[in-house]
Amino acid sequence: DGGITQSPKYLFRKEGQNVTLSCEQNLNHDAMYWYRQDPGQGLRLIYYSQIVNDFQKGDIAEGYSVSREKKESFPLTVTSAQKNPTAFYLCASSILLGYAEAFFGQGTRLTVV
Amino acid sequence: SQQGEEDPQALSIQEGENATMNCSYKTSINNLQWYRQNSGRGLVHLILIRSNEREKHSGRLRVTLDTSKKSSSLLITASRAADTASYFCATDGDDKIIFGKGTRLHILP
Repeated sequence: DGGITQSPKYLFRKEGQNVTLSCEQNLNHDAMYWYRQDPGQGLRLIYYSQIVNDFQKGDIAEGYSVSREKKESFPLTVTSAQKNPTAFYLCASSILLGYAEAFFGQGTRLTVV
Repeated sequence: SQQGEEDPQALSIQEGENATMNCSYKTSINNLQWYRQNSGRGLVHLILIRSNEREKHSGRLRVTLDTSKKSSSLLITASRAADTASYFCATDGDDKIIFGKGTRLHILP
């Protein structure tokens, strides 16, 4: 089955901790994205990547970091510098950056406890 | 920066009626897309319309695009309970896919 998988579905973080959200795709897509969604809000772009070993900051990159060491994987680390990390995080991929439909994972709900 | 802005923010209609939601955007685009999101889930792609197209159909969905007005509309005909969801437009601003805040559609039985 081709698709994009995010894990875990729910994640709890203590204040001051870094946590890493996993995103894996087997669609052979070059472009991958991370979005943040707050309740009742739209999606805000955190980071995006066009190819392996290259990624760009989105609109709200502060307090987050990513890596793109493999085409299939684009993990997101929420660092302790992110002051309000509680949100729903969505990973997506597309064949081309910006010009084609995006396929989304089912999301990770992160809660700070 | 959010490129697209959906209108209305929320919409409630009776089952069987048609639902129309609109999207306005700010800068020139190559394409515009519509997505659906069920509560607590990821987004599902519905339809993509390119800047040189004016109208596109997919099943009960009809999308129009007016590049002169920088606006698009999504029409869902003969609505069903399963259409209850949030609907987002997305544009390709600066090679990124940028989403609006969405329209929450509620289909009443």
